[in-house]
Amino acid sequence: KQEVTQIPAALSVPEGENLVLNCSFTDSAIYNLQWFRQDPGKGLTSLLLIQSSQREQTSGRLNASLDKSSGRSTLYIAASQPGDSATYLCAVSPGKVGGGADGLTFGKGTHLIIQP
Amino acid sequence: GAVVSQHPSRVICKSGTSVKIECRSLDFQATTMFWYRQFPKQSLMLMATSNEGSKATYEQGVEKDKFLINHASLTLSTLTVTSAHPEDSSFYICSFDGGSRYEQFFGPGTRLTVL
Repeated sequence: KQEVTQIPAALSVPEGENLVLNCSFTDSAIYNLQWFRQDPGKGLTSLLLIQSSQREQTSGRLNASLDKSSGRSTLYIAASQPGDSATYLCAVSPGKVGGGADGLTFGKGTHLIIQP
Repeated sequence: GAVVSQHPSRVICKSGTSVKIECRSLDFQATTMFWYRQFPKQSLMLMATSNEGSKATYEQGVEKDKFLINHASLTLSTLTVTSAHPEDSSFYICSFDGGSRYEQFFGPGTRLTVL
């Protein structure tokens, strides 16, 4: 059974700092990995999706990397801003012979606070 | 990204009543969609997977007779929590499969509180 772990569980840093959020998964047979943002009491906003054949994806100040063989991904946030404060979730889609959508396995998230 | 709506956003009901949650994709069609729930300070957990026109596949530990899923069309799915109890209080969120990359697009979620 796939398990996804995110470290740290919580992080508080001053505005402007660069930071790294970590995600690890136990079964390397994944189809893709997604990073989401969740604001309190809200749904999910997709940030980045990395296919299993890719090593990284970038969007603005965000960069996500994937090392499938070691079961790890990192989300790098550059020049953090108070508006980045949220819970960041990592989720993996299981690999499937012949393709086909399948449910995601989520980590518990990293609760990020950016201090003004 | 694709837009998914979910209604209601918040519902409070008495124990024993049934609650229907609607999930709709506004600008795309998808054969496959998913329902998740999230208890406080926990991660999202997959409840069920449904394909349009087929019966839903439920994850272990999720009662299919309690959580009724109707995937009526490529843009609409409903989750009915039957005879809700306080332990069903949770955040329910749906997602649609986005297609070729199997990227999932999530609704804003429904906060269910059962008194």
